[in-house]
Amino acid sequence: ETVVTQSPATLSVSPGERATLSCRASQSVSSNLAWYHQKPGQAPRLLIYGASTRAAGIPARFSGSGSGTEFTLTISSLQSEDFAVYYCQQYNDWPLTFGGGTKVEIK
Amino acid sequence: EVQLLESGGGLVQPGGSLRLSCAASGFTFSNYAVSWVRQAPGKGLEWVSIISDDGGTTYYADSVKGRFTFSRDNSKNTLYLQMNSLRADDTAVYYCARGGSGIPDTRKFDYWGQGTLVTVSS
Repeated sequence: ETVVTQSPATLSVSPGERATLSCRASQSVSSNLAWYHQKPGQAPRLLIYGASTRAAGIPARFSGSGSGTEFTLTISSLQSEDFAVYYCQQYNDWPLTFGGGTKVEIK
Repeated sequence: EVQLLESGGGLVQPGGSLRLSCAASGFTFSNYAVSWVRQAPGKGLEWVSIISDDGGTTYYADSVKGRFTFSRDNSKNTLYLQMNSLRADDTAVYYCARGGSGIPDTRKFDYWGQGTLVTVSS
C-alpha cells in the first residue's frame, strides 16, 4: 500500500498570504496525484489532478507541482473561501489512498 | 449539471446489514467508473470501493473486502453498496464519487455527492 503523508497538519495563514502544502508518497506515484479541499459540512471538491492540472472552475491561484514521491499545492493569495481542510490522494495503484489532511486556518 | 445523491444510511447494530444507493444524473452514467469514499466523524477520507463503467470490475479496500459488495444498474443510473457484518469502525459518512475519463483518471474523483451517514452502534 502506498502511504501518503501530508504536512503540516495545520497551517495558519493570513488572508492574502501564500500557503504551501506538502504531500509525500511512500513510493513513486508518477504524476497520479490529486488535491481536494473540504469545507465543514460539505463534500470534498477536486482542485488539482495529474499533480499539476487544475480541475474545471478552479481559480488560477491554486497550483500543483511535483512528481514521483514529493508534491506541493500552492495557494498564491489566500481568500476567505480557501480556509478549509486539504487532502491529497494518490491514484497510481491499489488501494487508492489519501493523506491525513492539512487544515488551513485563519491566522 | 452532474448530480450524485446518496441514500440508505442510518443506524444499524453491529453485525447488521445496510444497503446504500447513489442515484446519478446530468451525465452519461454508463461511461464512468464510480467509487465510494467514507469519512469517519472528525477524521480524514478513506477510499472504500470502485466499480468500472460497465460494472464488470470492482476493487475494495482491505478493511471492507468480503463484507461489502458494490454493484450498479446502468438502466437506472444507480449504484448500490451492500454492507454486511457491519462493525463500529464502519461508522462514517459515505460519499459516492465519480471518476474521470480514461485510465488512470477514473481513479480520481471529479464529482461527489453530499454523503449519507451510517452509524453502527448497539
